[in-house]
Amino acid sequence: GAVVSQHPSWVICKSGTSVKIECRSLDFQATTMFWYRQFPKQSLMLMATSNEGSKATYEQGVEKDKFLINHASLTLSTLTVTSAHPEDSSFYICSARPAVGTNEKLFFGSGTQLSVL
Amino acid sequence: GENVEQHPSTLSVQEGDSAVIKCTYSDSASNYFPWYKQELGKGPQLIIDIRSNVGEKKDQRIAVTLNKTAKHFSLHITETQPEDSAVYFCAASFGNEKLTFGTGTRLTIIP
Repeated sequence: GAVVSQHPSWVICKSGTSVKIECRSLDFQATTMFWYRQFPKQSLMLMATSNEGSKATYEQGVEKDKFLINHASLTLSTLTVTSAHPEDSSFYICSARPAVGTNEKLFFGSGTQLSVL
Repeated sequence: GENVEQHPSTLSVQEGDSAVIKCTYSDSASNYFPWYKQELGKGPQLIIDIRSNVGEKKDQRIAVTLNKTAKHFSLHITETQPEDSAVYFCAASFGNEKLTFGTGTRLTIIP
């Protein structure tokens, strides 16, 4: 149980284009999903918290107009990197928290490696 | 806000020996402490967690201990195997608020 599916696993795009990453909770409903960014050999940096049906809460320093987050249902959240540039190249990881039960637990997707040329 | 420190940053252990990773946290209100294992190119996997009303928790070869007074918690892996090689992250949170992660420990098991 508690499987979080993230797609795509890797993507290469040209500078200036937009990229959408999907995060789905497969066997549970998630009222809250989190998006992280991870640089090589570093820890996870929280970018934003999204709650189903409401606007995402962004961490300080994260551009909300550049990293668009949509949490349209209890099982799906998307992150769109708009007008991507080489400095946006990174490993992006989503996580989801079950809506019921011991809801401190956080389960992660498999990550998306974004390379912007 | 919460600050989590993790040591060591790298750890090499002979196969079959034990590995210990330690974390300290700053916010005494934190009450949930998970540990994650991350393999190269993958997302973190929850391997064990502990709440502040418990001092120790064990799951087969993995155990976590918590000292609330000292505000530190540790991951213990016994009888290490090559597949235990990965990066391990500790984290802390208060209830279902956002997790604050440690800086990670790269564990290498030497065959």
